[in-house]
Amino acid sequence: DAKTTQPPSMDCAEGRAANLPCNHSTISGNEYVYWYRQIHSQGPQYIIHGLKNNETNEMASLIITEDRKSSTLILPHATLRDTAVYYCIRASGTYKYIFGTGTRLKVLA
Amino acid sequence: DVKVTQSSRYLVKRTGEKVFLECVQDMDHENMFWYRQDPGLGLRLIYFSYDVKMKEKGDIPEGYSVSREKKERFSLILESASTNQTSMYLCASSYGIGPDTQYFGPGTRLTVL
Repeated sequence: DAKTTQPPSMDCAEGRAANLPCNHSTISGNEYVYWYRQIHSQGPQYIIHGLKNNETNEMASLIITEDRKSSTLILPHATLRDTAVYYCIRASGTYKYIFGTGTRLKVLA
Repeated sequence: DVKVTQSSRYLVKRTGEKVFLECVQDMDHENMFWYRQDPGLGLRLIYFSYDVKMKEKGDIPEGYSVSREKKERFSLILESASTNQTSMYLCASSYGIGPDTQYFGPGTRLTVL
């Protein structure tokens, strides 16, 4: 079973860190973890990815557990513009990506 | 600025109609994709194309076909639309293999009555 599971929704107060979990317990050794987000009425947009080390860029940080069975996307200071659906994705060098079902993040003023 | 455009934002069709969804990219990307997006199911790949006139089935190709006659254009065809094909359809193009190289269009919300 190649499922990638995410909680359906989360709330976060503006200015606080948003921590979005993803469970990928069946991930294989050559699969990367990617994150997209989709703001209402737009197409998905790439955020960050990693294999086994933690990663950080200007948008977010990605923490991957040592056993690689789960990961967390961290938006360090959430703003109202971060309200979106966030997708966790597994990919291993082919064009067929395994998408999670997405977490709808609502940032509250 | 990179751009993937889709011919319609909203489309309403009748059961049994032939439906064409068009996608155009201006980035000279080799790869193009069609996904459908449904609540609780995330994005599911219908077809992708890695070159002109080349195509491969994704996870849910049944009931769909595609055409790529020019590099910048990738069409999704519903030969005989059915109500279970009511969905949001997303087109994407990419310059590489990973999802980090992929750019999406805004989507077409298709309703089949």
